[in-house]
Amino acid sequence: DQQVKQNSPSLSVQEGRISILNCDYTNSMFDYFLWYKKYPAEGPTFLISISSIKDKNEDGRFTVFLNKSAKHLSLHIVPSQPGDSAVYFCAASARASGSARQLTFGSGTQLTVLP
Amino acid sequence: KAGVTQTPRYLIKTRGQQVTLSCSPISGHRSVSWYQQTPGQGLQFLFEYFSETQRNKGNFPGRFSGRQFSNSRSEMNVSTLELGDSALYLCASSFASNTEAFFGQGTRLTVV
Repeated sequence: DQQVKQNSPSLSVQEGRISILNCDYTNSMFDYFLWYKKYPAEGPTFLISISSIKDKNEDGRFTVFLNKSAKHLSLHIVPSQPGDSAVYFCAASARASGSARQLTFGSGTQLTVLP
Repeated sequence: KAGVTQTPRYLIKTRGQQVTLSCSPISGHRSVSWYQQTPGQGLQFLFEYFSETQRNKGNFPGRFSGRQFSNSRSEMNVSTLELGDSALYLCASSFASNTEAFFGQGTRLTVV
């Protein structure tokens, strides 16, 4: 049962254009969403997050949009740069017992930015 | 400040053996979580420790266990290794809750 889905395993974008990575979730208890970037042989690097009380969060070239009714979030990268080429993971979190949380990850999308 | 440190980076073990992986969190972080990454399953949550107590556990068999020490360093143990345990094991630390977690580089375990 995949609670967080990234349906596009790969995406290619021209340098300077917009990259849009999508993520869908099924668990309505999720109240915090994160995007991570991962290069080969390295751990995931935190990019940006959004709480369920917001529908948009922006940090430099990265913007995350949350559509709660559709249970969908997206990461926009503008403008895309070759150094953005990596695997992007969407993750969701719901408060578990006590104050514990766990991150549920999507399967990742390989973004390739072409020069 | 130093990031999350995982040791060793690479490990090769034989089926049936046991293995211990180590994770040193960012200074001041008390929450440590472990994840398994495989090509087919993506990143799967193993467990989370906070102040030496396991607070949350994923859907993995009892062969997978962990612990956390008073200095917040954590170890993960896998007993009776199986070929399917070959994966990248990632540790993440966070200050209090498990929201913005910062990951180490991982330990690549190969079981032969």
